[in-house]
Amino acid sequence: AQSVAQPEDQVNVAEGNPLTVKCTYSVSGNPYLFWYVQYPNRGLQFLLKYITGDNLVKGSYGFEAEFNKSQTSFHLKKPSALVSDSALYFCAVRSYGQNFVFGPGTRLSVLP
Amino acid sequence: EAGVTQSPTHLIKTSGQQATLRCSPISGHTSVYWYQQALGLGLQFLLWYDEGEERNRGNFPPRFSGRQFPNYSSELNVNALELEDSALYLCASSLFGEQTYFGAGTRLSVL
Repeated sequence: AQSVAQPEDQVNVAEGNPLTVKCTYSVSGNPYLFWYVQYPNRGLQFLLKYITGDNLVKGSYGFEAEFNKSQTSFHLKKPSALVSDSALYFCAVRSYGQNFVFGPGTRLSVLP
Repeated sequence: EAGVTQSPTHLIKTSGQQATLRCSPISGHTSVYWYQQALGLGLQFLLWYDEGEERNRGNFPPRFSGRQFPNYSSELNVNALELEDSALYLCASSLFGEQTYFGAGTRLSVL
């Protein structure tokens, strides 16, 4: 069975500081990994994905994520946080032929 | 290119009624996913349709059902509504499962 864990309900970071939102997963087979962001009263917006290839994936709005197979992790990072990055972030996983499974979400607050 | 569209934006029902939510996927996408996002909670997987067939179902009672039409649009039906069904219902579409694109959601309020 597929599962995704986001161990932190809330992450607080000062504007300009680097941010990390953690994600670990469990899946049989090769994982497809995704990060999405949700702003209030909106649907989810795609940030980035890992399907295969380079373990460091760059996405929208300056975000990047590193796939670590041995640690089954796919942490989201950004070198310098903006107040506008404050939102709810979801990690998701799927393997071939399976549906997407989302983590519980992490609320990121960037303080000015 | 139009994204995933959902209708209605808001839906207000009373307990015991039925609700029908609609989703139009991105043109060319054959898979449609439905998720429930209750207030303060994450996304709970409801249903996955692909090429007109139900591929997988989440841990929800049978009164949650749906279908996918030949044009790949989809309906989610919720019968015998209960107060705890109040939530944001999100539809997503994908092609070959590499990435999902989400609609803005339908907010269902059950009074």
